[in-house]
Amino acid sequence: RKEVEQDPGPFNVPEGATVAFNCTYSNSASQSFFWYRQDCRKEPKLLMSVYSSGNEDGRFTAQLNRASQYISLLIRDSKLSDSATYLCVVKKDGTGGFKTIFGAGTRLFVKA
Amino acid sequence: EAQVTQNPRYLITVTGKKLTVTCSQNMNHEYMSWYRQDPGLGLRQIYYSMNVEVTDKGDVPEGYKVSRKEKRNFPLILESPSPNQTSLYFCASSLWSQGRYEQYFGPGTRLTVT
Repeated sequence: RKEVEQDPGPFNVPEGATVAFNCTYSNSASQSFFWYRQDCRKEPKLLMSVYSSGNEDGRFTAQLNRASQYISLLIRDSKLSDSATYLCVVKKDGTGGFKTIFGAGTRLFVKA
Repeated sequence: EAQVTQNPRYLITVTGKKLTVTCSQNMNHEYMSWYRQDPGLGLRQIYYSMNVEVTDKGDVPEGYKVSRKEKRNFPLILESPSPNQTSLYFCASSLWSQGRYEQYFGPGTRLTVT
């Protein structure tokens, strides 16, 4: 079983739709959580950190449930420019610092 | 402008010929790391460094070496490359500052080992 698992996707949605991405992690010692987006053949870019209280940035809302070891990302009113791969990321304590584990990603296609 | 640079961007080499991929950041970040990305496997961490002279293994360190002699540079060394190291490599640097996390990736290095 992978340490960080995401919906396999791809998701195909029309413009304006609300899309939800889910992610589970297996290591309860995980300490920090993030969502990234990656466009085709480009480097990943940090979208937002995920806090226990939940956090929102414009059309994007992230939630963390430590008890269930579950992270989510909600995109409201999706735009064509939201088409990308969304990566769930977990950082956990290693011997010298934080190891970083990426999920395999969920591809999103937003259509006009 | 905040930047992580990697060189070279593309490299085709032969098995066994030592190579180094350079990584440099201009943000004074303490944490730097290397990843490889392969189809179906996503990004996997190779090595990371918490600060100068402090490095540690990620999930897939075999066949790689790193060094962190200066804060801004974190080169990735393949002493004897093999075809299974053909991949897309990303360097990244990051910092926690006043409760806020920032991380930047380099543009990637596409390596082919024949």
